[in-house]
Amino acid sequence: GAVVSQHPSWVICKSGTSVKIECRSLDFQATTMFWYRQFPKQSLMLMATSNEGSKATYEQGVEKDKFLINHASLTLSTLTVTSAHPEDSSFYICSASVSGGANEQFFGPGTRLTVL
Amino acid sequence: QKEVEQDPGPLSVPEGAIVSLNCTYSNSAFQYFMWYRQYSRKGPELLMYTYSSGNKEDGRFTAQVDKSSKYISLFIRDSQPSDSATYLCAMSAGNYGQNFVFGPGTRLSVLP
Repeated sequence: GAVVSQHPSWVICKSGTSVKIECRSLDFQATTMFWYRQFPKQSLMLMATSNEGSKATYEQGVEKDKFLINHASLTLSTLTVTSAHPEDSSFYICSASVSGGANEQFFGPGTRLTVL
Repeated sequence: QKEVEQDPGPLSVPEGAIVSLNCTYSNSAFQYFMWYRQYSRKGPELLMYTYSSGNKEDGRFTAQVDKSSKYISLFIRDSQPSDSATYLCAMSAGNYGQNFVFGPGTRLSVLP
């Protein structure tokens, strides 16, 4: 149980385009989903916390107009990187919480974004 | 000083060895402590979840928390090559994950 999927698993795009990443909880309903970014050999950096039906809460320094998060249902959250640039290239990982808190997060497999 | 510190490694051990992974932290409000395992190019997987001080055992894994020293450990007995991964500690101040933070991770390599 507690399986989280992400799609796509990797994407390459041109600078200036927008990319949408989907995060789905497959066998449970997730009140809260989290979006992280991870650069090579570094830890996960929380970008935003997303609650179903409400606006996401962004961490300090994360541009909410650049990283659009939508949590339309209890099993789906999307992250859209708008007008992507090479510095946005990273590993994006989502997680979902059954309880709504961060202590017991179940992570997706991640999405590798490369912006040319 | 970073809020959570962890030796980045890499730590290389022979198969069958006992592995000790550690994190130190500065925020005395942390009460919930977690260990995650992350394979290369994959999302982290929750291994252990403990509250306050003490020990917790699950198979080959034992988690220890010493709040007085602000020090937590994960021990892996009879280590296997499949244990080769990055191990991330995480902690929070409340049961709802308040002030949740990850450590930077330790890369472990278990050699056959």
